[in-house]
Amino acid sequence: SQKIEQNSEALNIQEGKTATLTCNYTNYSPAYLQWYRQDPGRGPVFLLLIRENEKEKRKERLKVTFDTTLKQSLFHITASQPADSATYLCALDLHGSSNTGKLIFGQGTTLQVKP
Amino acid sequence: EAGVTQSPTHLIKTRGQQATLRCSPISGHTSVYWYQQALGLGLQFLLWYDEGEERNRGNFPPRFSGRQFPNYSSELNVNALELEDSALYLCASSLAAVRGFFGPGTRLTVL
Repeated sequence: SQKIEQNSEALNIQEGKTATLTCNYTNYSPAYLQWYRQDPGRGPVFLLLIRENEKEKRKERLKVTFDTTLKQSLFHITASQPADSATYLCALDLHGSSNTGKLIFGQGTTLQVKP
Repeated sequence: EAGVTQSPTHLIKTRGQQATLRCSPISGHTSVYWYQQALGLGLQFLLWYDEGEERNRGNFPPRFSGRQFPNYSSELNVNALELEDSALYLCASSLAAVRGFFGPGTRLTVL
């Protein structure tokens, strides 16, 4: 069956440390993988997109890796701050011949950064 | 540049009523997507509109419907509301590879 899974438990880290969030999927062949931030009661905010032929993408304190062999993406926030506390979602975009227009979302990982 | 806008912010209805939710995409975006996010659940794909046509719909009953207008704004209609329709309804528009520029959502509560 097709699945997309993120760290099921909340992630609690100390300010200044690096947060690493995991997204694993099975039986999908995504053309793109995206990461979003969502605050309670708000819409998701797009952070980064990585393509199937890319290994790593960076934006300021954020870094995403994508391993299509392992079917895994890692999302890193370096020098984390309390303001980074939120739920982070990964989403698969199949595109190509499987272009259904929809993003397939994981359940999200809640990150809590303590001062 | 204005982002995706949605209205109303909150909507309270009773069982059996109809709800209409509205979305305006980012200027220049022609595709609009609707998602449902029930409490504690992930985002579930509802509908995709592009150039005024429905391109795909998710696994939802026919009482969930919508349309896209010539100016690319969109409307989601939910008929015969049920308690389990209570959720955050999110609209997104797309540019190139990024499908998910989301609006703030409409919180629908069915009593």
